[in-house]
Amino acid sequence: EDQVTQSPEALRLQEGESSSLNCSYTVSGLRGLFWYRQDPGKGPEFLFTLYSAGEEKEKERLKATLTKKESFLHITAPKPEDSATYLCAVRTLSGYSTLTFGKGTMLLVSP
Amino acid sequence: GAVVSQHPSRVICKSGTSVKIECRSLDFQATTMFWYRQFPKKSLMLMATSNEGSKATYEQGVEKDKFLINHASLTLSTLTVTSAHPEDSSFYICSARDRGLSYEQYFGPGTRLTVT
Repeated sequence: EDQVTQSPEALRLQEGESSSLNCSYTVSGLRGLFWYRQDPGKGPEFLFTLYSAGEEKEKERLKATLTKKESFLHITAPKPEDSATYLCAVRTLSGYSTLTFGKGTMLLVSP
Repeated sequence: GAVVSQHPSRVICKSGTSVKIECRSLDFQATTMFWYRQFPKKSLMLMATSNEGSKATYEQGVEKDKFLINHASLTLSTLTVTSAHPEDSSFYICSARDRGLSYEQYFGPGTRLTVT
C-alpha cells in the first residue's frame, strides 16, 4: 500500500529562521511528487511537481528536492505570510491519476 | 496558473435535504476532476474520480448513492449530497487535472457544508 508520511506535524519558526519539512514515501512506483500549500478554510494551492531523484525546484523562499525515498521542502528566511499547512502528495503507478496525500505540516512563522 | 472555482463556498442545510456543489475549471479543460473531503486538521481524503462523459469512480467506503457525481462537460463537475445528515458536515474540495499538463491537479477553494 502506498504511504506518505510528513514530518514534523507542526513547526514553529521565528521570522528569518530557515528550516526544512520532510515528506517520506513508500510507493509501488513514483510517477510524481507534489507539494501544496493550504491556508485555513481554503483549498490547496499548487507549489511544485518533482518527477525523478535529484530534481530540484525553487519558488521565492521555497525549494523542493527529491530523493528515492523522500522529499524536502526547504524554507529560507521565512516570513509570517509563509505560515500555512504544507501538503505532500504522490502519484504512483498503481494509483493511475489519483494522488495520495500526507497529513501535512502546519508551519507557523512568528514575526 | 490554472483556476478552479467552487460554488457555493458555504452552505447550511437541514437534515434530510440534498445539496449540490459545483466545481468549474475556469481557464482550462479538465477531462478528470476529483472530489475530496477534509476533516478539521486532517489531510484530504479522496472520495471519487470524475471523468467527463462517464461514470465516476468511487473510493472504497464512499457511498455512490449518497454522493452523486456528474461530470457533464469538460469544465463542470457537480457533487450532490443526498439526504444529508449531520455526519456529512465537512469541507468538500474539488480538483481538476488539465488535460494539457502532466498530472498536476489544481484545487478549488472548497465548500463548507453544515448539516443541522
